[in-house]
Amino acid sequence: QKEVEQNSGPLSVPEGAIASLNCTYSDRVSQSFFWYRQYSGKSPELIMSIYSNGDKEDGRFTAQLNKASQYVSLLIRDSQPSDSATYLCAVRNQKVTFGTGTKLQVIP
Amino acid sequence: GAVVSQHPSWVICKSGTSVKIECRSLDFQATTMFWYRQFPKQSLMLMATSNEGSKATYEQGVEKDKFLINHASLTLSTLTVTSAHPEDSSFYICSASRTRENTEAFFGQGTRLTVV
Repeated sequence: QKEVEQNSGPLSVPEGAIASLNCTYSDRVSQSFFWYRQYSGKSPELIMSIYSNGDKEDGRFTAQLNKASQYVSLLIRDSQPSDSATYLCAVRNQKVTFGTGTKLQVIP
Repeated sequence: GAVVSQHPSWVICKSGTSVKIECRSLDFQATTMFWYRQFPKQSLMLMATSNEGSKATYEQGVEKDKFLINHASLTLSTLTVTSAHPEDSSFYICSASRTRENTEAFFGQGTRLTVV
């Protein structure tokens, strides 16, 4: 089992819709979780960090964490074409472990 | 903010030569820095974790004598690719974190290395 798993996609959503990105992790003692966005040919950019169970909202982005289910998700409301990118889920213990990323395509 | 600057952004070198890549945290002290490699259309592969003042911890399969990492200060880490070969051509990215555990890591812009 991979340490951090994501559906590779692509996930296609129409402009204005909600995009839902999911991630599961294997290390039950993990405490820190992050979502990064990576445009093609660029380095990842931090979008959200979440440390406690529940929801965390920042603008159009909401991260959700469920430690019992070892599951973390990212919701993007009012999706825009500029949101089209690969979204990386990351889990941190002493090192940061990334999922393989989910490619999101927002269709105008 | 948390700004990480990586230099150079791209480099072309001849096979057999060495290339040094710098990673600097500009507005915070980075206790830990990570070095990644990413091949086209593939995910990030962690190469090594570097804590300030300590030897880097390399991931399995990464040759420590080929990829020399130095983290001598809280704001600077370097990766030197020694005796580079065409198969080393890749996108190398560093990230920096304030602490050894738990806090977020911020990425540099990446360095695209082409070995000819």
